Amino acid sequence: QKEVEQNSGPLSVPEGAIASLNCTYSDRGSQSFFWYRQYSGKSPELIMFIYSNGDKEDGRFTAQLNKASQYVSLLIRDSQPSDSATYLCAVNGEESNDYKLSFGAGTTVTVRA
Amino acid sequence: KAGVTQTPRYLIKTRGQQVTLSCSPISGHRSVSWYQQTPGQGLQFLFEYFSETQRNKGNFPGRFSGRQFSNSRSEMNVSTLELGDSALYLCASSLGLQPGTNSYEQYFGPGTRLTVT
Repeated sequence: QKEVEQNSGPLSVPEGAIASLNCTYSDRGSQSFFWYRQYSGKSPELIMFIYSNGDKEDGRFTAQLNKASQYVSLLIRDSQPSDSATYLCAVNGEESNDYKLSFGAGTTVTVRA
Repeated sequence: KAGVTQTPRYLIKTRGQQVTLSCSPISGHRSVSWYQQTPGQGLQFLFEYFSETQRNKGNFPGRFSGRQFSNSRSEMNVSTLELGDSALYLCASSLGLQPGTNSYEQYFGPGTRLTVT
């Protein structure tokens, strides 16, 4: 059973600060890593994906992947009240024909105005 | 490009009944995955279809089944409903070609909220 662990929340940050979210996974051969944002009562929205070690930046979001440490993180710079949501880390399996995603429990972020 | 659509959005059923949920993927996407989301268990994978074939299945009882049609639309069926089946059922579509590539991102629909009484 694959495991995806996220840092426990909730995480409260002041507006304009950096929110840092962490995720570890158990399957060393996992290839695809995703961050989803889910507002209360809504479905998950894909905000970042990363496949290679290193950093990937998209606007105020930066995803960092370290496959050796089995660790993926998401940084939200200049946090805004609209960033208040639950962030879900998702990882695909190790097998080449494994098309399902395993999700972490999520970290709830609250940005204080 | 239109997103993933799911119908119905809300459903109330009684224990023992069965239910069918529908999902239409993004145009051009051939993979449809189904997930169950509950407050206690989070998001759990049900099954994934690609070109009318089930490629992966999660750890759910046989009461949960699905299928995909030639136009990539998918349905999932739950028979003999139990109270514990109350959840948000989400489908996600992707090109589904290869993990580790940009053809693999999954985009979720709005979900169907099922309540079993």
